[in-house]
Amino acid sequence: DAKTTQPPSMDCAEGRAANLPCNHSTISGNEYVYWYRQIHSQGPQYIIHGLKNNETNEMASLIITEDRKSSTLILPHATLRDTAVYYCIVRVSGGYQKVTFGIGTKLQVIP
Amino acid sequence: DSGVTQTPKHLITATGQRVTLRCSPRSGDLSVYWYQQSLDQGLQFLIQYYNGEERAKGNILERFSAQQFPDLHSELNLSSLELGDSALYFCASSSGTGQHRNTEAFFGQGTRLTVV
Repeated sequence: DAKTTQPPSMDCAEGRAANLPCNHSTISGNEYVYWYRQIHSQGPQYIIHGLKNNETNEMASLIITEDRKSSTLILPHATLRDTAVYYCIVRVSGGYQKVTFGIGTKLQVIP
Repeated sequence: DSGVTQTPKHLITATGQRVTLRCSPRSGDLSVYWYQQSLDQGLQFLIQYYNGEERAKGNILERFSAQQFPDLHSELNLSSLELGDSALYFCASSSGTGQHRNTEAFFGQGTRLTVV
């Protein structure tokens, strides 16, 4: 599985959009981009995933560049409850074997 | 609530001891994954089971072992415990592998193991 690079920390004002970048320059054609978040020490929570098209759900939007070497997770209106560590991972279809989440981006939403 | 249940939530034990962590996957999920998260570290993949069979192994120590039972629950056994084994241990489940593509994993709330 390809490795990802994320900034270690980011701040965002409450109510504003939070844009979290992820670099995955060695991604393969059959690898998907997944985003999870972990609030405090709770179990990670799935947010969204995509292959090459932009995706949106009730939690967030995922923008993947045309060359698929990077992506951005967008939380449109960040709230204090969005303060968490956000993990970007890439993996082939068919499971999570050997996927290590890395240290992610610690997003602090500021009142 | 992810539907994945882990017990116990907290565990304190002494060095050299052995413990068993239990995971009940979401109803219908065939794959179970175990992860270790040490303080301020990312989640390290340990091992994956699918329908009772080991499918992938990560950086799991020889002192650690796991199994998945016919009812699909899984146990992670940690033996000869050392101080450095203190960590959060997470279990996750997903509906499958292979033909079941792109299924997200759902994580339990973890077991916090403290070795003293």
